[in-house]
Amino acid sequence: QQQVKQSPQSLIVQKGGIPIINCAYENTAFDYFPWYQQFPGKGPALLIAIRPDVSEKKEGRFTISFNKSAKQFSLHIMDSQPGDSATYFCAAGYNFNTGNQFYFGTGTSLTVIP
Amino acid sequence: EADIYQTPRYLVIGTGKKITLECSQTMGHDKMYWYQQDPGMELHLIHYSYGVNSTEKGDLSSESTVSRIRTEHFPLTLESARPSHTSQYLCASSEFLGASGDSYEQYFGPGTRLTVT
Repeated sequence: QQQVKQSPQSLIVQKGGIPIINCAYENTAFDYFPWYQQFPGKGPALLIAIRPDVSEKKEGRFTISFNKSAKQFSLHIMDSQPGDSATYFCAAGYNFNTGNQFYFGTGTSLTVIP
Repeated sequence: EADIYQTPRYLVIGTGKKITLECSQTMGHDKMYWYQQDPGMELHLIHYSYGVNSTEKGDLSSESTVSRIRTEHFPLTLESARPSHTSQYLCASSEFLGASGDSYEQYFGPGTRLTVT
C-alpha cells in the first residue's frame, strides 16, 4: 500500500512559471514532511521540509503548503528556472524510540523550458 | 554536499554472480538505509540499520543481505544476481536526534545502477 501519493507524474512549465506538485498521506503518525530534489545520476538531496504544526514554509523560491486536516501538502517553485529541471520526491516520516522511517512518493519529473 | 559514497556507480553482471554494493559515510551517523529506486516508482526501503550489529528488513522484500560491522560502512550483498534485481540502489544515512529532534534529514549517496543480464 502506497503511504504517500504524489501527483503529477511529470510537469512542463515555461521559465518564470510556478509549478506545483501535490502529495497526500493517510497515516496521522507522520510528523515530518520533506521534499527531495534529484538530478540525473545523483542521489536525492533535501530541498525543504515542514512539520505539521505550521501551514507554510518558504526557503528562497521554494514553498511548502501544508493542510493538516486534508492530509495534503504541496511544493511551489516560484520564478522557476531551467536549472530547476529535476525529479522531485515528497516524503513523510515519523520518529520512534530507536530511529525514524520515511515513505516516499513516486516522484515528479519537472522540465522548465527556457 | 553529503559525505556518503557508493561504489560501484554502474555495474553490469551476469545471472548467478555474487555482488556486493559498497556504501560508506564519514558523518558518523548511527542510522543507515538501502533503498531501491525504479523509474516512476517511489523509493522502496529494503534494509536499514540503527547502529553497529543492528540490521532490519524494510518494507520491500529483497533477496539481498546487509551487514553493519562498522558505523561508517553498510554493504549490501546479493548472493546470486537475477535480472529481476536490475534497479538503482540508493544508500542513505541520518543522525538520530531523539524524540524531540528538530529534523531528521536523510543524506543520500549517488546510487549504484545495477544491470543483471
